[in-house]
Amino acid sequence: AQKITQTQPGMFVQEKEAVTLDCTYDTSDPSYGLFWYKQPSSGEMIFLIYQGSYDQQNATEGRYSLNFQKARKSANLVISASQLGDSAMYFCAMREGRYSGNTPLVFGKGTRLSVIA
Amino acid sequence: EAQVTQNPRYLITVTGKKLTVTCSQNMNHEYMSWYRQDPGLGLRQIYYSMNVEVTDKGDVPEGYKVSRKEKRNFPLILESPSPNQTSLYFCASSLGQSPDTQYFGPGTRLTVL
Repeated sequence: AQKITQTQPGMFVQEKEAVTLDCTYDTSDPSYGLFWYKQPSSGEMIFLIYQGSYDQQNATEGRYSLNFQKARKSANLVISASQLGDSAMYFCAMREGRYSGNTPLVFGKGTRLSVIA
Repeated sequence: EAQVTQNPRYLITVTGKKLTVTCSQNMNHEYMSWYRQDPGLGLRQIYYSMNVEVTDKGDVPEGYKVSRKEKRNFPLILESPSPNQTSLYFCASSLGQSPDTQYFGPGTRLTVL
C-alpha cells in the first residue's frame, strides 16, 4: 500500500490566486514527520515546509502553509498568492519514527503545478 | 555556502562500464542518502548512511554500492551499469536529529546505453 498519496497529477492556478495541493499518508506510527519539496524544471529538490505529528499548530513558511488534519491523515500544501515561479513539481514526503537516520524518507509521486499569467 | 554537491551532473555511459557518482556535503551532517527519481514513481531510496562506516539498504539497492569512509563524502558506485539504471539520482544529507530535514544535491542525470 502506498504510504504517501498525491491524487492530483497536475494542477493549474491563475497568478495571484491560492492553490491547495493534496497529500494523504498512511502510517500506524504515532510519531512521524511530513515534508513538502519543490522541484522546478531545473531539477533540484528544494525543501519548503515541515510538519511534525505532535505539532499543535499548522506549519507556515512565507507563502506556504500546511493544512494538517491528523485524524484524516492529510497534509495539504497551500500556496497563497501564486507566482509564475511557483510552476514546478511538488512532492509530499513522510518519515516515520521519532528518531531519524534509520527510516527512509518516503515520497509521493508528485503534483505538477502550472501557474498561468 | 552550505550545500550538497554531486559530480558529474550528467553522464552517458555504456552497459557494464563501472562508474562512480560522488556526493559531498559541507554541513557536518551525520545522515546521507541516495535516491533515484523515475517518471511516475517519484523518488525512491537506494542506500543510506547514519555515520562513517555505517551504511544500509534502502528500497531499491540492487545494482548499487556505497561507502562512507569520511563524514562528508558518500559516493554511489555502479559496478556494472545496466539500461534500467538510467535515471535521475539525488544525494541528500541531514543532521540526523528531529525534524531532520533532508537537503538535496543538484542531481545527476545518468543514461546507460
